[in-house]
Amino acid sequence: NAGVMQNPRHLVRRRGQEARLRCSPMKGHSHVYWYRQLPEEGLKFMVYLQKENIIDESGMPKERFSAEFPKEGPSILRIQQVVRGDSAAYFCASSRGGQFGYTFGSGTRLTVV
Amino acid sequence: GDSVTQMEGPVTLSEEAFLTINCTYTATGYPSLFWYVQYPGEGLQLLLKATKADDKGSNKGFEATYRKETTSFHLEKGSVQVSDSAVYFCALRLTTGTASKLTFGTGTRLQVTL
Repeated sequence: NAGVMQNPRHLVRRRGQEARLRCSPMKGHSHVYWYRQLPEEGLKFMVYLQKENIIDESGMPKERFSAEFPKEGPSILRIQQVVRGDSAAYFCASSRGGQFGYTFGSGTRLTVV
Repeated sequence: GDSVTQMEGPVTLSEEAFLTINCTYTATGYPSLFWYVQYPGEGLQLLLKATKADDKGSNKGFEATYRKETTSFHLEKGSVQVSDSAVYFCALRLTTGTASKLTFGTGTRLQVTL
């Protein structure tokens, strides 16, 4: 019974490139949440998705960031034209529903050089 | 908006010392409260939780009591170990409507020495 799987664990991108972060939720979980952790800070909510739907994207930057959770396959957090300020750890969590507890993945650490 | 404030670290203690990490919150509704722990290079693990006033969450010797009157959820442990060295995050989650996101504090780094 695998937990929440995120890949890659570490990702290095040059400024201006695209970053794609993947999250496979736990089996039976249809709700996915993405959080960002900047160095020495707490986690900040970015987006909450169910299969094929974005429920709450109030924490997503208005430009360059997008997220999807297709009917088949993992959830993807996409960052276009990355800048140094995007360097952070990105965590995904999943749950069975909005009122159930979360399980977090181990995160993807993005470094923009 | 909803927010969580926790004491700044780092907190450095000797093994077997008593630990308190303060956490207070502001929320528009009636939140559930959580403590998460993050070990170096890892994701967050749920340590304990409480869903209503006066509930006490406990796990692995850690405990915290949901105090509605003081809007607090302080984390305590009677005798820390070196293996408890980690970053601890207090968080709240509203349980009404679609507002199911967690709001985190900035984290408190705990360093336990021999």
